[in-house]
Amino acid sequence: EVQLVESGGGLIQPGGSLRLSCAASGFIVRYSYMSWIRQAPGKGLEWVSLMHSGGTTYYADSVRGRFTVSRDDSESTMYLQMNNLRPEDTAVYYCARDRGLLGPGPNWGQGTLVTVSS
Amino acid sequence: QSALTQPPSVSGSFGQSVIISCTGTSSDIGSYKRVSWYKQSPGTVPKLMITEVSDRPSGVPDRFSGSKSGNTASLTISGLQAEDEAHYYCISYTTSNTWVFGGGTKLTVL
Repeated sequence: EVQLVESGGGLIQPGGSLRLSCAASGFIVRYSYMSWIRQAPGKGLEWVSLMHSGGTTYYADSVRGRFTVSRDDSESTMYLQMNNLRPEDTAVYYCARDRGLLGPGPNWGQGTLVTVSS
Repeated sequence: QSALTQPPSVSGSFGQSVIISCTGTSSDIGSYKRVSWYKQSPGTVPKLMITEVSDRPSGVPDRFSGSKSGNTASLTISGLQAEDEAHYYCISYTTSNTWVFGGGTKLTVL
């Protein structure tokens, strides 16, 4: 059974850094495409980043240069390093297993809440 | 990377049909068949309803169908049920190798 579990969220001051984790099971992470998606409180979904199975990464304009995706294949875990956080980054962050280049598939984690506030 | 355009809300009576539109540009919807639709009920994780414009994943009722014309994709829900009431989001691949969501549409079943 495919499972994704995010962790690492919390309250952080503007300008601070946070690293989110997405622990995967039921499939081989290094052969998979995976996305981060976020949802601000009461708002819609926003795509954040994509990591190809080969390690290539892509980012939304709103986070490029501040967020970095990485992966530890031995731990079956994907990470989202978030630097220079802004109040507008406040959201629930989901990781999802993509269906190759067909986009986020049916497998999403439950999300982890990041709150950027002083 | 402007968000795709969806109507903020639509409504339909029980048993009727509704169409939710998702308008993009030639740099996203117009360039690929990579358009998906998600349903999100309050407090839950989004659920994939349609992939590749018109394919239904296993378990999704055939009351849900998708289509695309030019830069606009559409989700049609026929035979509306109470449990269809939720937010619906479209997403499309872009020529920048990124993805972009629509703003979401709240469906109310009357």
